[in-house]
Amino acid sequence: KNEVEQSPQNLTAQEGEFITINCSYSVGISALHWLQQHPGGGIVSLFMLSSGKKKHGRLIATINIQEKHSSLHITASHPRDSAVYICAVRSNSGYALNFGKGTSLLVTP
Amino acid sequence: NAGVTQTPKFRVLKTGQSMTLLCAQDMNHEYMYWYRQDPGMGLRLIHYSVGEGTTAKGEVPDGYNVSRLKKQNFLLGLESAAPSQTSVYFCASRNDYRTANDPSYEQYFGPGTRLTVT
Repeated sequence: KNEVEQSPQNLTAQEGEFITINCSYSVGISALHWLQQHPGGGIVSLFMLSSGKKKHGRLIATINIQEKHSSLHITASHPRDSAVYICAVRSNSGYALNFGKGTSLLVTP
Repeated sequence: NAGVTQTPKFRVLKTGQSMTLLCAQDMNHEYMYWYRQDPGMGLRLIHYSVGEGTTAKGEVPDGYNVSRLKKQNFLLGLESAAPSQTSVYFCASRNDYRTANDPSYEQYFGPGTRLTVT
């Protein structure tokens, strides 16, 4: 099974801070996903990537395939960014995603 | 486009009762999945389907059955509910893909069903 580890588990930041969430995985993958889940809410896909870097607004996702590591960055954080951020990977031979346990982010005003 | 919908949104069952959760997608996706989400754990795959008429077991299939009689629907059944099945259930779907950067590779999630078994 492809283990997916996220760090930190919990994160509190002040509004405006730069935030980094890390994800490591153990086997070869075809794609890595970053997902967002607000309290009591559904799951929304933020990024899907297999190499390099992607940017959407204040969010940036990077992946290093050789090191089996990905990071999600949030620039100029805002209280509305408070949510659980989940890393998920699809192995080269898999049909489904393997999920990390999530990082709970709280951004205070 | 409604995307992925789930019915019901909430349900309370007594131990031993049965129920069916319905997942529907209108994106003509081939692949459909049922996951459960429990506190302190990542989402775990219960069953999945790679096309109409096909189903396969995931990581935690015990106590659940599924059917995919129509391409757009994926049903999850609990024949005899147990308190250990108290969870939030998410359905997801995606299309087949040519490359990992193909937008149709994206996975879409339903809003979730919160099930409590007493």
